[in-house]
Amino acid sequence: QVQLVQSGAEVKKPGASVKVSCKASGYTFTSYGISWVRQAPGQGLEWMGWISAYNGNTNYAQKLQGRVTMTTDTSTSTAYMELRSLRSDDTAVYYCARGSGWYDADYWGQGTLVTVSS
Amino acid sequence: DIVMTQTPLSSPVTLGQPASISCRSSQSLVHSDGNTYLSWLQQRPGQPPRLLIYKISNRFSGVPDRFSGSGAGTDFTLKISRVEAEDVGVYYCMQATQFPPTFGPGTKVDIK
Repeated sequence: QVQLVQSGAEVKKPGASVKVSCKASGYTFTSYGISWVRQAPGQGLEWMGWISAYNGNTNYAQKLQGRVTMTTDTSTSTAYMELRSLRSDDTAVYYCARGSGWYDADYWGQGTLVTVSS
Repeated sequence: DIVMTQTPLSSPVTLGQPASISCRSSQSLVHSDGNTYLSWLQQRPGQPPRLLIYKISNRFSGVPDRFSGSGAGTDFTLKISRVEAEDVGVYYCMQATQFPPTFGPGTKVDIK
């Protein structure tokens, strides 16, 4: 069965970077991509971007351009999302989700809480 | 960006009774390829989102048939024919017709 298992919770100081991982199993990793979606405490869902696991092509949300980088490691079927220059309003649960393209998000990871606090 | 709105934002329902959630988009969600990329997701308390419905009315794998989606253009509806206790949570509509994908604010469904 399709599973996406994310790395554990992180606490970071403002200005630091965080890198969240998402390990996929149960399907051919390179046949899909991975979207990243975040959810601030008590808030709704915000789409961050998508990466193709086939060729590494990316689509990022404009508001995060320049601060976010999404990568994949096909040897381990793992996707990564790095967010730099963290601010307090980046505090959120970060989710990965499988998708054929940026328009798609079928199976979701369990989420990773990133707390940004001085 | 396309703005998604949902009504109601909160819906107390009686077990075994139907529930309905509306979602409206600021622009038509009909893609040039003829598809309408409107999905519904369920988020139970403390859980990640789960895909229920894609392309307006297609139930995803494992989704009970008490969930159904309908609509066209800019107006869409999610219906639960008979609410069960496990249906408690927040329901989001999501459009992926136009980049970037955007979500509605969510509708909280709980039991009266």
